[in-house]
Amino acid sequence: GAGVSQSPRYKVAKRGQDVALRCDPISGHVSLFWYQQALGQGPEFLTYFQNEAQLDKSGLPSDRFFAERPEGSVSTLKIQRTQQEDSAVYLCASSLTGPADDLAKNIQYFGAGTRLSVL
Amino acid sequence: AQRVTQPEKLLSVFKGAPVELKCNYSYSGSPELFWYVQYSRQRLQLLLRHISRESIKGFTADLNKGETSFHLKKPFAQEEDSAMYYCALARYSGAGSYQLTFGKGTKLSVIP
Repeated sequence: GAGVSQSPRYKVAKRGQDVALRCDPISGHVSLFWYQQALGQGPEFLTYFQNEAQLDKSGLPSDRFFAERPEGSVSTLKIQRTQQEDSAVYLCASSLTGPADDLAKNIQYFGAGTRLSVL
Repeated sequence: AQRVTQPEKLLSVFKGAPVELKCNYSYSGSPELFWYVQYSRQRLQLLLRHISRESIKGFTADLNKGETSFHLKKPFAQEEDSAMYYCALARYSGAGSYQLTFGKGTKLSVIP
């Protein structure tokens, strides 16, 4: 594909609703990352997948946040019972290799993001 | 804990003037540092990384471990350099994971 694709681009949710954000990484990329970017801040790490395995979920802010990548390709970030503080841009990134591999190949390529607004 | 600090939220320079975007980091291990750029209405993209030691679009950045800095420099700013710039630090965990820690970003505005 041309790059990392995220959908929807914009999502408005009422407080308490569940949302699902989708990420299509670059074809063949092993690693997939989710970041959260609040207004005026830099992206903050949420979780990391290597193929279908979720190796790090240390950045998920609460148990309302859940991510999956069942077939090692497309990933979904789900937020249950959304709160106003969840309003942010959610970025997905992918890289060709895992962290232990050739450093030249583990560059992270970012999607355009999903802007979530919780009212 | 690792941290990346970009002290300037906004930096305005005139076209043709030198540019220096500051980045300081704290990390107990061997740092791997990046500069990412986001142009208006575009996605975040890698500008350069310290292990490559290359110059991209006239920008360079040198890792100074003594001062724990990775400042981004360009001798002559161009209008097309106006963008948001993020410094980032990679952290590798023993569980086979790695992640980027970003600074808050500096918005560079080049005045014609």
